[in-house]
Amino acid sequence: GAVVSQHPSRVICKSGTSVKIECRSLDFQATTMFWYRQFPKKSLMLMATSNEGSKATYEQGVEKDKFLINHASLTLSTLTVTSAHPEDSSFYICSALQGNSNQPQHFGDGTRLSIL
Amino acid sequence: GQQLNQSPQSMFIQEGEDVSMNCTSSSIFNTWLWYKQEPGEGPVLLIALYKAGELTSNGRLTAQFGITRKDSFLNISASIPSDVGIYFCAGLHNFGNEKLTFGTGTRLTIIP
Repeated sequence: GAVVSQHPSRVICKSGTSVKIECRSLDFQATTMFWYRQFPKKSLMLMATSNEGSKATYEQGVEKDKFLINHASLTLSTLTVTSAHPEDSSFYICSALQGNSNQPQHFGDGTRLSIL
Repeated sequence: GQQLNQSPQSMFIQEGEDVSMNCTSSSIFNTWLWYKQEPGEGPVLLIALYKAGELTSNGRLTAQFGITRKDSFLNISASIPSDVGIYFCAGLHNFGNEKLTFGTGTRLTIIP
């Protein structure tokens, strides 16, 4: 089945650091990838939609300069949290949509980001 | 953004009992999906529903796509300890680049 790999699974870093999270589709080409944020005991909140080779589309209220998204290939999208602060601590999850397919999005296992 | 309303918010049941949860929306969706999420992991797809009225099973799980296309339910029969987790419904207007709208989640706890 379709597999989406997210790396790292957990990261702890100091305030002011920029953190990059990778999302890879391992056995299919993903024309579209999505980035979600999830607070404890809450549902997934879509941050942005990333299409290969074009600029990401951000949801209302999500700062694009804070959360940089790059989708340079059909198997990789990255989310960079720039100058992270404690309020950016959260669980970040990506998903990938296979091009020319009627299959639903496949989710990664998430990245737990903790900013000290 | 919009969220789908799921109920109940949480359930505490004994092993072996059946579980029923539902998801409602104020707008129509053309596809309903049910996911399960365990702590520290991403959601895993359980069942996908593509037609109004469709009833689909996956082992002990059964889900239905409401006739009005504004709701869906998920049933779990004879619950077991590994059913513990958070169950999310999600609606999709059309396949393609369309983004998912997630439900608020139902947290299931199994009492031994």
